[in-house]
Amino acid sequence: EVQLVESGEGLVQPGSSMKLSCVASGFTFSNYGMNWIRQAPKKGLEWIALIYYDSSSKYYADSVKGRFTISRDNSKNTLYLEMNSLRSEDTAMYYCAKGALTTRVPHFDYWGQGVMVTVSS
Amino acid sequence: DVVMTQTPVSLSVSLGGQVSISCRSSQSLVHNNGNTYLSWYLQKPGQSPQLLIYKVSNRFSGISDRFSGSGSGTDFTLKISRVEPDDLGVYYCGQGTQYPNTFGAGTKLELK
Repeated sequence: EVQLVESGEGLVQPGSSMKLSCVASGFTFSNYGMNWIRQAPKKGLEWIALIYYDSSSKYYADSVKGRFTISRDNSKNTLYLEMNSLRSEDTAMYYCAKGALTTRVPHFDYWGQGVMVTVSS
Repeated sequence: DVVMTQTPVSLSVSLGGQVSISCRSSQSLVHNNGNTYLSWYLQKPGQSPQLLIYKVSNRFSGISDRFSGSGSGTDFTLKISRVEPDDLGVYYCGQGTQYPNTFGAGTKLELK
């Protein structure tokens, strides 16, 4: 059974940093591109970052480019999202999502349960 | 970015009934490789989204044949037949043809 378990949720002040983790199991983690997708309260879904299976390429939404960094450790089956210079508009549920392929992402076939990040003073 | 427009915003249905949700993209979703990367997701209350349909009409593992997807180019439809209580929630269409991946704003399916 595929499982994606995020951690690292919390309340932080604007301008601060935070790191999320996602531990994967039930599939060969090193064979798939992985993503972070977020959902602001009562809003829709926003893809924010993709990392290829081998970390050779990373892509970001314009809304987070230059502030967020996606990374992975295939030896630990873990995906990360380092978030810097956080803003109130980054307040959202953050989901780890598995891509269906090694690189590009035609669709997201498994999602974690999500972690809530709240940016507020 | 490709803009995905879903209609209606909300839908009321009786158990056992049938509904259709429309999704239109601002650009053709036909990839250079000939595939069309349009998918449908359901987010049940309090849960994370789950994949229902990929590449327009392919049901994901374990998804009931009551769910069917169709369409081409920029115009797509999700049909749900014999609606059950577990089908309620918000449905999203998404595209993976062009970076960045984008989603529709969602259609909320409620009981009449």
